[in-house]
Amino acid sequence: SAVISQKPSRDICQRGTSLTIQCQVDSQVTMMFWYRQQPGQSLTLIATANQGSEATYESGFVIDKFPISRPNLTFSTLTVSNMSPEDSSIYLCSVTLGATSTDTQYFGPGTRLTVL
Amino acid sequence: AQTVTQSQPEMSVQEAETVTLSCTYDTSESDYYLFWYKQPPSRQMILVIRQEAYKQQNATENRFSVNFQKAAKSFSLKISDSQLGDAAMYFCAYRSGGGGADGLTFGKGTHLIIQP
Repeated sequence: SAVISQKPSRDICQRGTSLTIQCQVDSQVTMMFWYRQQPGQSLTLIATANQGSEATYESGFVIDKFPISRPNLTFSTLTVSNMSPEDSSIYLCSVTLGATSTDTQYFGPGTRLTVL
Repeated sequence: AQTVTQSQPEMSVQEAETVTLSCTYDTSESDYYLFWYKQPPSRQMILVIRQEAYKQQNATENRFSVNFQKAAKSFSLKISDSQLGDAAMYFCAYRSGGGGADGLTFGKGTHLIIQP
């Protein structure tokens, strides 16, 4: 498996500001995904980060609120824009390692975001 | 859209005993993958076991095994010889096998408590 790191591990932010979360993998990966886990809840897919093109967003998530970049096969960023307390969540990066999109997804350690 | 249901918000088991966590799912697809992930208090998502829908044989990983009933759309996780380190949230997850860039659909999770 790969080593997946996220920065920052946690942050406390003021409403109206933006935070960019980084996901770094120690090897090239096929797919990268971003998930949100609201307090006491399950994980919800935000978007698929596509290398060299726009991310693919799930219903209920929009690019203006959650812009995503993926400049290469080992790195992606998720920005949470114009934050409100409802954005307080754990944000997790996930990757697939194999050659096909149906390979198992592995997760980073998550970023715990608190918005005041 | 696919849905995943975990009907047990919390389960408790004595150390060294066996416990079964339930998961059902709804899909119209014939090709898909099912997973169990574990999330301890560290919030790191850890893959426990994976099952391909086209395989009739139930997956096993050491003390962890599944009972996959495709017709009933059921995917339960059995943990044998429970250990204190098994205490965590357990999430059942579904992924389409259509070859697209699909993320995971998660159930709400089951909180597993191990009594010493």
